Amino acid sequence: QKEVEQDPGPLSVPEGAIVSLNCTYSNSAFQYFMWYRQYSRKGPELLMYTYSSGNKEDGRFTAQVDKSSKYISLFIRDSQPSDSATYLCAMSAELYSSASKIIFGSGTRLSIRP
Amino acid sequence: EAQVTQNPRYLITVTGKKLTVTCSQNMNHEYMSWYRQDPGLGLRQIYYSMNVEVTDKGDVPEGYKVSRKEKRNFPLILESPSPNQTSLYFCASSLVGGVDTQYFGPGTRLTVL
Repeated sequence: QKEVEQDPGPLSVPEGAIVSLNCTYSNSAFQYFMWYRQYSRKGPELLMYTYSSGNKEDGRFTAQVDKSSKYISLFIRDSQPSDSATYLCAMSAELYSSASKIIFGSGTRLSIRP
Repeated sequence: EAQVTQNPRYLITVTGKKLTVTCSQNMNHEYMSWYRQDPGLGLRQIYYSMNVEVTDKGDVPEGYKVSRKEKRNFPLILESPSPNQTSLYFCASSLVGGVDTQYFGPGTRLTVL
């Protein structure tokens, strides 16, 4: 079983819709949760970062962590065609460590239809 | 402009022919890392470096070598490439490692025939 599972999609929604992207994980030690966005032919870029459980909002994006269910989500409100990309979740048990290890999900491909 | 650069962006080679993918960052970051990205498997770390002359294995180091002689450069070396190393490779850097924001390069698509 993979440590981090992410539905690969593709997910296609109309412009303006609310998008929900999700990851599940098996390692209860994970405390730090990240979402990266990767446009086609580009490297990933950090979108949001959260610690432990709860919600974090940044503009149209909301990250949610439910540690009891080992489930994290990224919500995109008022989705735009420019949001079309692959979204990768990532997580880690430690903040800083000489052997720091970040586990990435395989990514969900999202397409926003104009 | 703050960035991570990789060269080449695309490379087709044959089995056994040594190659080097260069990576350079201009942000004075301590931490640098190499990943490979394969469909369905996501990003997997190959090697990382916490500082100059300090490198360590990631999850999939077999068949790869790295060196960190200068802070800004972190080349990835494939001494005898094989077809199972066909992949998309990313170099990344961050200030101190851990969950600190990683800045990724544009990627190198490698095909080994």
